[in-house]
Amino acid sequence: NAGVTQTPKFRILKIGQSMTLQCTQDMNHNYMYWYRQDPGMGLKLIYYSVGAGITDKGEVPNGYNVSRSTTEDFPLRLELAAPSQTSVYFCASSAPDRRYNSPLHFGNGTRLTVT
Amino acid sequence: RKEVEQDPGPFNVPEGATVAFNCTYSNSASQSFFWYRQDCRKEPKLLMSVYSSGNEDGRFTAQLNRASQYISLLIRDSKLSDSATYLCVVNKRTDSGGYQKVTFGIGTKLQVIP
Repeated sequence: NAGVTQTPKFRILKIGQSMTLQCTQDMNHNYMYWYRQDPGMGLKLIYYSVGAGITDKGEVPNGYNVSRSTTEDFPLRLELAAPSQTSVYFCASSAPDRRYNSPLHFGNGTRLTVT
Repeated sequence: RKEVEQDPGPFNVPEGATVAFNCTYSNSASQSFFWYRQDCRKEPKLLMSVYSSGNEDGRFTAQLNRASQYISLLIRDSKLSDSATYLCVVNKRTDSGGYQKVTFGIGTKLQVIP
Protein backbone atom coordinates (compact mmCIF):
# COMPACT_ATOMS: atom_id res chain seq x y z
CA ASN A 1 0.00 0.00 0.00
CA ALA A 2 1.27 3.46 -0.91
CA GLY A 3 -0.95 5.15 1.69
CA VAL A 4 -1.56 8.84 0.96
CA THR A 5 0.31 10.23 -2.04
CA GLN A 6 0.66 13.93 -2.77
CA THR A 7 2.04 15.59 -5.87
CA PRO A 8 3.96 17.72 -6.55
CA LYS A 9 6.44 17.80 -3.64
CA PHE A 10 7.55 21.35 -4.42
CA ARG A 11 6.13 24.16 -6.54
CA ILE A 12 6.84 27.83 -7.11
CA LEU A 13 3.97 29.94 -8.44
CA LYS A 14 3.77 33.52 -9.55
CA ILE A 15 1.06 35.73 -8.06
CA GLY A 16 -2.21 35.20 -9.89
CA GLN A 17 -1.36 31.76 -11.28
CA SER A 18 -3.50 28.73 -10.56
CA MET A 19 -2.61 25.14 -9.76
CA THR A 20 -4.03 21.89 -8.45
CA LEU A 21 -2.43 19.93 -5.63
CA GLN A 22 -3.11 16.25 -6.12
CA CYS A 23 -3.90 13.79 -3.34
CA THR A 24 -4.77 10.14 -3.66
CA GLN A 25 -5.11 7.34 -1.12
CA ASP A 26 -5.35 3.59 -1.61
CA MET A 27 -6.72 2.63 1.83
CA ASN A 28 -10.39 3.02 0.88
CA HIS A 29 -10.79 5.72 3.54
CA ASN A 30 -14.00 7.72 3.45
CA TYR A 31 -12.65 10.82 5.13
CA MET A 32 -10.06 13.05 3.52
CA TYR A 33 -8.64 16.39 4.63
CA TRP A 34 -6.47 19.24 3.42
CA TYR A 35 -4.34 21.14 5.94
CA ARG A 36 -1.85 23.94 5.58
CA GLN A 37 1.03 24.58 7.94
CA ASP A 38 2.88 27.86 7.97
CA PRO A 39 6.45 27.97 9.38
CA GLY A 40 6.46 27.49 13.14
CA MET A 41 2.69 27.24 13.26
CA GLY A 42 0.11 24.54 13.78
CA LEU A 43 -2.01 22.74 11.21
CA LYS A 44 -5.05 24.58 9.88
CA LEU A 45 -7.89 22.73 8.16
CA ILE A 46 -8.73 24.06 4.69
CA TYR A 47 -11.39 21.60 3.45
CA TYR A 48 -12.54 18.12 4.29
CA SER A 49 -14.65 15.40 2.72
CA VAL A 50 -16.62 12.61 4.38
CA GLY A 51 -17.10 10.67 1.15
CA ALA A 52 -17.28 10.87 -2.63
CA GLY A 53 -19.40 13.83 -3.72
CA ILE A 54 -19.37 15.47 -0.26
CA THR A 55 -17.05 18.31 0.72
CA ASP A 56 -17.15 21.06 3.31
CA LYS A 57 -15.14 24.05 4.45
CA GLY A 58 -12.65 23.96 7.28
CA GLU A 59 -11.33 26.98 9.14
CA VAL A 60 -9.31 28.61 6.29
CA PRO A 61 -11.09 27.83 2.97
CA ASN A 62 -10.78 31.21 1.24
CA GLY A 63 -8.78 31.06 -1.97
CA TYR A 64 -9.17 27.29 -2.34
CA ASN A 65 -11.57 24.82 -3.89
CA VAL A 66 -11.86 21.04 -3.71
CA SER A 67 -13.73 18.23 -5.37
CA ARG A 68 -14.24 14.58 -4.45
CA SER A 69 -15.44 12.62 -7.45
CA THR A 70 -13.97 9.32 -6.24
CA THR A 71 -13.14 7.79 -2.86
CA GLU A 72 -9.44 7.79 -3.76
CA ASP A 73 -8.83 11.35 -4.97
CA PHE A 74 -9.20 14.72 -3.26
CA PRO A 75 -7.51 17.48 -5.30
CA LEU A 76 -7.07 21.00 -3.91
CA ARG A 77 -7.33 23.86 -6.37
CA LEU A 78 -5.68 27.26 -5.84
CA GLU A 79 -7.15 30.01 -7.96
CA LEU A 80 -5.29 33.33 -8.28
CA ALA A 81 -2.36 32.41 -6.04
CA ALA A 82 -1.32 34.99 -3.44
CA PRO A 83 1.85 35.25 -1.30
CA SER A 84 -0.29 34.46 1.77
CA GLN A 85 -0.78 30.97 0.34
CA THR A 86 2.93 30.19 0.66
CA SER A 87 2.86 27.20 2.99
CA VAL A 88 3.25 23.46 3.31
CA TYR A 89 0.09 21.61 2.36
CA PHE A 90 -0.74 18.22 3.84
CA CYS A 91 -3.43 15.85 2.66
CA ALA A 92 -4.70 13.24 5.10
CA SER A 93 -7.25 10.46 5.24
CA SER A 94 -9.00 8.42 7.89
CA ALA A 95 -11.62 5.74 8.26
CA PRO A 96 -13.59 6.60 11.39
CA ASP A 97 -15.12 3.65 13.14
CA ARG A 98 -18.37 3.88 15.07
CA ARG A 99 -16.53 5.34 18.03
CA TYR A 100 -14.70 7.87 15.87
CA ASN A 101 -11.44 6.52 17.20
CA SER A 102 -9.44 6.65 14.01
CA PRO A 103 -6.11 8.41 13.47
CA LEU A 104 -5.23 10.41 10.37
CA HIS A 105 -2.75 9.19 7.81
CA PHE A 106 -0.79 11.99 6.14
CA GLY A 107 0.86 12.42 2.79
CA ASN A 108 4.41 13.76 2.53
CA GLY A 109 3.28 17.29 1.87
CA THR A 110 3.56 19.86 -0.93
CA ARG A 111 5.79 22.87 -0.34
CA LEU A 112 4.34 25.83 -2.19
CA THR A 113 5.95 29.24 -2.64
CA VAL A 114 4.05 32.12 -4.23
CA THR A 115 6.20 35.03 -5.36
CA ARG B 1 -9.92 29.52 24.84
CA LYS B 2 -8.36 27.24 22.23
CA GLU B 3 -9.94 23.83 21.78
CA VAL B 4 -6.60 22.10 22.30
CA GLU B 5 -3.78 23.81 24.15
CA GLN B 6 -0.15 22.82 24.39
CA ASP B 7 2.97 24.52 25.68
CA PRO B 8 4.99 25.12 22.49
CA GLY B 9 8.30 24.79 24.38
CA PRO B 10 11.01 24.23 23.42
CA PHE B 11 11.86 21.63 26.01
CA ASN B 12 15.63 21.12 26.03
CA VAL B 13 16.55 17.95 27.92
CA PRO B 14 19.75 15.90 28.21
CA GLU B 15 19.96 12.39 26.80
CA GLY B 16 18.59 9.84 29.24
CA ALA B 17 16.23 12.29 30.93
CA THR B 18 12.52 11.78 31.46
CA VAL B 19 10.28 14.47 30.01
CA ALA B 20 6.52 14.96 30.19
CA PHE B 21 4.17 17.01 28.04
CA ASN B 22 0.61 17.96 28.88
CA CYS B 23 -2.23 18.96 26.62
CA THR B 24 -5.61 20.33 27.67
CA TYR B 25 -8.83 20.24 25.68
CA SER B 26 -11.92 22.34 26.12
CA ASN B 27 -14.73 20.15 24.81
CA SER B 28 -15.88 17.55 27.31
CA ALA B 29 -17.62 15.65 24.48
CA SER B 30 -14.26 14.80 22.90
CA GLN B 31 -14.08 11.09 22.25
CA SER B 32 -10.63 10.00 21.18
CA PHE B 33 -7.14 11.26 21.68
CA PHE B 34 -3.79 10.82 20.02
CA TRP B 35 -0.18 11.91 20.14
CA TYR B 36 1.56 12.56 16.83
CA ARG B 37 5.21 13.23 16.17
CA GLN B 38 6.32 15.72 13.53
CA ASP B 39 9.92 16.04 12.43
CA CYS B 40 11.11 19.30 10.91
CA ARG B 41 9.52 19.88 7.49
CA LYS B 42 7.94 16.41 7.50
CA GLU B 43 4.38 15.16 7.80
CA PRO B 44 2.88 14.32 11.21
CA LYS B 45 3.03 10.63 12.08
CA LEU B 46 0.94 8.80 14.65
CA LEU B 47 2.94 8.09 17.79
CA MET B 48 0.24 6.50 19.89
CA SER B 49 -3.44 6.57 20.73
CA VAL B 50 -4.42 7.54 24.26
CA TYR B 51 -6.79 5.28 26.15
CA SER B 52 -8.76 6.00 29.30
CA SER B 53 -6.83 3.40 31.25
CA GLY B 54 -3.49 4.79 30.11
CA ASN B 55 -1.19 2.97 27.75
CA GLU B 56 2.48 2.37 27.23
CA ASP B 57 4.59 1.71 24.17
CA GLY B 58 8.22 1.11 25.05
CA ARG B 59 9.64 4.32 26.51
CA PHE B 60 6.41 6.23 25.86
CA THR B 61 3.45 6.41 28.23
CA ALA B 62 0.21 8.25 27.50
CA GLN B 63 -2.44 9.13 30.07
CA LEU B 64 -5.93 10.58 29.80
CA ASN B 65 -7.72 12.46 32.56
CA ARG B 66 -11.30 13.07 31.41
CA ALA B 67 -12.33 14.81 34.63
CA SER B 68 -9.65 17.46 34.23
CA GLN B 69 -9.70 17.31 30.43
CA TYR B 70 -6.05 16.77 29.81
CA ILE B 71 -3.80 14.18 28.25
CA SER B 72 -0.14 13.63 28.87
CA LEU B 73 2.85 12.03 27.21
CA LEU B 74 5.83 10.77 29.19
CA ILE B 75 9.09 9.91 27.46
CA ARG B 76 11.63 7.96 29.51
CA ASP B 77 15.34 7.62 28.76
CA SER B 78 15.24 10.31 26.06
CA LYS B 79 17.22 9.64 22.89
CA LEU B 80 18.65 12.16 20.44
CA SER B 81 16.23 10.71 17.88
CA ASP B 82 13.27 11.78 20.04
CA SER B 83 13.94 15.40 19.06
CA ALA B 84 10.79 16.49 17.25
CA THR B 85 7.53 18.35 17.75
CA TYR B 86 4.81 16.39 19.55
CA LEU B 87 1.24 17.17 18.53
CA CYS B 88 -1.77 16.53 20.71
CA VAL B 89 -4.87 15.57 18.70
CA VAL B 90 -8.46 15.36 19.86
CA ASN B 91 -11.38 13.82 17.91
CA LYS B 92 -15.05 14.32 18.45
CA ARG B 93 -18.17 13.60 16.54
CA THR B 94 -20.00 16.69 15.35
CA ASP B 95 -23.46 17.47 16.63
CA SER B 96 -24.95 16.23 13.38
CA GLY B 97 -23.15 12.94 13.88
CA GLY B 98 -21.83 12.87 10.37
CA TYR B 99 -18.30 14.10 10.78
CA GLN B 100 -15.27 13.30 12.83
CA LYS B 101 -13.90 16.68 13.86
CA VAL B 102 -10.14 16.49 14.35
CA THR B 103 -8.41 19.24 16.29
CA PHE B 104 -4.64 19.57 16.49
CA GLY B 105 -2.70 21.34 19.16
CA ILE B 106 0.10 23.65 18.07
CA GLY B 107 2.69 21.09 19.19
CA THR B 108 5.44 20.97 21.80
CA LYS B 109 9.00 21.07 20.54
CA LEU B 110 11.47 18.70 22.19
CA GLN B 111 15.22 18.99 21.75
CA VAL B 112 17.29 16.21 23.30
CA ILE B 113 20.84 17.36 23.94
CA PRO B 114 23.91 15.06 23.95
